[in-house]
Amino acid sequence: DVKVTQSSRYLVKRTGEKVFLECVQDMDHENMFWYRQDPGLGLRLIYFSYDVKMKEKGDIPEGYSVSREKKERFSLILESASTNQTSMYLCASITAGVGNNEQFFGPGTRLTVL
Amino acid sequence: DAKTTQPPSMDCAEGRAANLPCNHSTISGNEYVYWYRQIHSQGPQYIIHGLKNNETNEMASLIITEDRKSSTLILPHATLRDTAVYYCIVSKNTNAGKSTFGDGTTLTVKP
Repeated sequence: DVKVTQSSRYLVKRTGEKVFLECVQDMDHENMFWYRQDPGLGLRLIYFSYDVKMKEKGDIPEGYSVSREKKERFSLILESASTNQTSMYLCASITAGVGNNEQFFGPGTRLTVL
Repeated sequence: DAKTTQPPSMDCAEGRAANLPCNHSTISGNEYVYWYRQIHSQGPQYIIHGLKNNETNEMASLIITEDRKSSTLILPHATLRDTAVYYCIVSKNTNAGKSTFGDGTTLTVKP
């Protein structure tokens, strides 16, 4: 069974803290994605990565950074958490190449910033 | 990627077919139609995708109109566990997963 796992299901942090959200996939996928999901706004792409050490900005990268040191792991970093970053964060992965855009999603991390 | 329009909510009786519509009038020739669903408190799950022809798998059927400007996802015998938000997405396969998810349709299956 293909699997995308995220380090925490629920996380509570304080304003100004540095926050790390980890995502690991066991499918040897090249491409990985971080989304946030908010009511009324759907899923919005924050960052994505096509390969180790490569990253590209998505639609809402402000306030976030990412790290991809190993193929299976994609980390989302909130350098200084703010209350408007309270959200559900979803990680996804997909194999590279033309053919199928089926994304595999993790269970999500619900982050609350106080 | 082309944008999609879906009704915000729908109800369906358990055991009946659920037909979820999606408009994608600006779809281009090399864009596929994908459907995902998200059950409460879980990540989205892929259901099915297609380009021109109708598609069927163990979960659902996808009917795409001849002009490709709209499609319908059919769950042939809806169960209570099919209650979820259903997302219709249009995407080039070369985008390698970079997709735009809207608000989707909240399907409620009622006993």
